[in-house]
Amino acid sequence: AQKITQTQPGMFVQEKEAVTLDCTYDTSDPSYGLFWYKQPSSGEMIFLIYQGSYDQQNATEGRYSLNFQKARKSANLVISASQLGDSAMYFCAMWEDSSYKLIFGSGTRLLVRP
Amino acid sequence: DAGVIQSPRHEVTEMGQEVTLRCKPISGHDYLFWYRQTMMRGLELLIYFNNNVPIDDSGMPEDRFSAKMPNASFSTLKIQPSEPRDSAVYFCASSRTGNYGYTFGSGTRLTVV
Repeated sequence: AQKITQTQPGMFVQEKEAVTLDCTYDTSDPSYGLFWYKQPSSGEMIFLIYQGSYDQQNATEGRYSLNFQKARKSANLVISASQLGDSAMYFCAMWEDSSYKLIFGSGTRLLVRP
Repeated sequence: DAGVIQSPRHEVTEMGQEVTLRCKPISGHDYLFWYRQTMMRGLELLIYFNNNVPIDDSGMPEDRFSAKMPNASFSTLKIQPSEPRDSAVYFCASSRTGNYGYTFGSGTRLTVV
């Protein structure tokens, strides 16, 4: 069964610095995808970045990059040059090709300090 | 593209009442998912549909919960009878085969008193 683990309940980062949010996963399906979503205090779920299990390169989207280490089953999110608006909950999620359902980790609350 | 539309945005109901949450997925999306978010349990997948057919309802907490998708553009999640522990934010999301973007609706905040 697929499983997603986020071990950091909360993190602080200074504005303009980079921060890494950890995510580890477990699956027996060779074809899967990893997602990161942002949930600000307003409550909506905002898609940030996607990494497929067969992708050779780490995914990047603007200030977001995904540090994908397949052998270690980790998919950490790196946010560069943090902004005050980055303060939010961040969820790692995994999809398996065999089931197509998206399962979420417990989330990390990020607070950006001015 | 109007996105995934959920209604109502907020619902307050008394224990024992029937509650119906509604979702309109993005046109052309063939997968629809219902999630529940609480502080204690995080984001839980309740049920998902493919081409209007329920594929996996193992996350539905108990028989008081039911979900339907009568056509490609509409789904409901019903709780009958509702209980205070059902208070949560319920999200609907949709996706299209081959496209790995899952789009979420704005959620319905349910409060059962």
